[in-house]
Amino acid sequence: DTEVTQTPKHLVMGMTNKKSLKCEQHMGHRAMYWYKQKAKKPPELMFVYSYEKLSINESVPSRFSPECPNSSLLNLHLHALQPEDSALYLCASSQVEGHEQYFGPGTRLTVT
Amino acid sequence: QKEVEQNSGPLSVPEGAIASLNCTYSDRVSQSFFWYRQYSGKSPELIMSIYSNGDKEDGRFTAQLNKASQYVSLLIRDSQPSDSATYLCAVFNTGKLIFGQGTTLQVKP
Repeated sequence: DTEVTQTPKHLVMGMTNKKSLKCEQHMGHRAMYWYKQKAKKPPELMFVYSYEKLSINESVPSRFSPECPNSSLLNLHLHALQPEDSALYLCASSQVEGHEQYFGPGTRLTVT
Repeated sequence: QKEVEQNSGPLSVPEGAIASLNCTYSDRVSQSFFWYRQYSGKSPELIMSIYSNGDKEDGRFTAQLNKASQYVSLLIRDSQPSDSATYLCAVFNTGKLIFGQGTTLQVKP
C-alpha cells in the first residue's frame, strides 16, 4: 500500500482567512514533503520533514507554516495568503530521504 | 543551466509503438533517478526508479541510466492511448527531488 491521503480536496479561502491542509500516511515513512504545483509546471518543493524534524525550508514565505505532529501526519497552516498562492498543494512521503516519493492526490487551493 | 532537462514535447506516437522519453541532469553526484506520470488535473504517480547504470524493466516500462553521460531515459513499449500524460523526470540531489519540466506524450489510436 503506497497511499498518501490529503484533505480537503478543494479549498477556497479569502486573503484574511486562516486554514490548514492535512496529509496522512500509514506506510511507516519517515520523510514527508510539501510541494506546490502551478499549471503546466513541475512540482516545486516547499518543505521537507525527516524523522519529524524540519530539514529543508525552500525560503517559503512565513504565511505558510508547516507542522509535523507525529510520524504519520503533516499539516500546512495557511494565513494571509495572496491570489498568486492559488495552486495544487501536494504532500509526498518516502521511507527516508532519497528513496521513492509517493504523492497524495493534492489539495486544489484558490485564494480570492 | 537547468539542473534537469527534458524536451517539453508534445511527443506523439501511434498506438502500439515505442515511446522514448529522455532526460539529462547537470550534477554528476546525483544518485537516485525517478520517472513520474501525471495526468491532467491529477497528482504525479511514481512509475520507475533507477539507482545504478543500465536498464531496469517493469512491465511495458524500461528505465535506462547512463551516469557517465548524465542521461536517463524511459521507454514505453506497446504504447496505449491511456499512456497519454506528462512524464516527469526527477533526480535526487542534496536532500531534494529536482524535477524536469516534463514531456507531454500523446498516443494516437
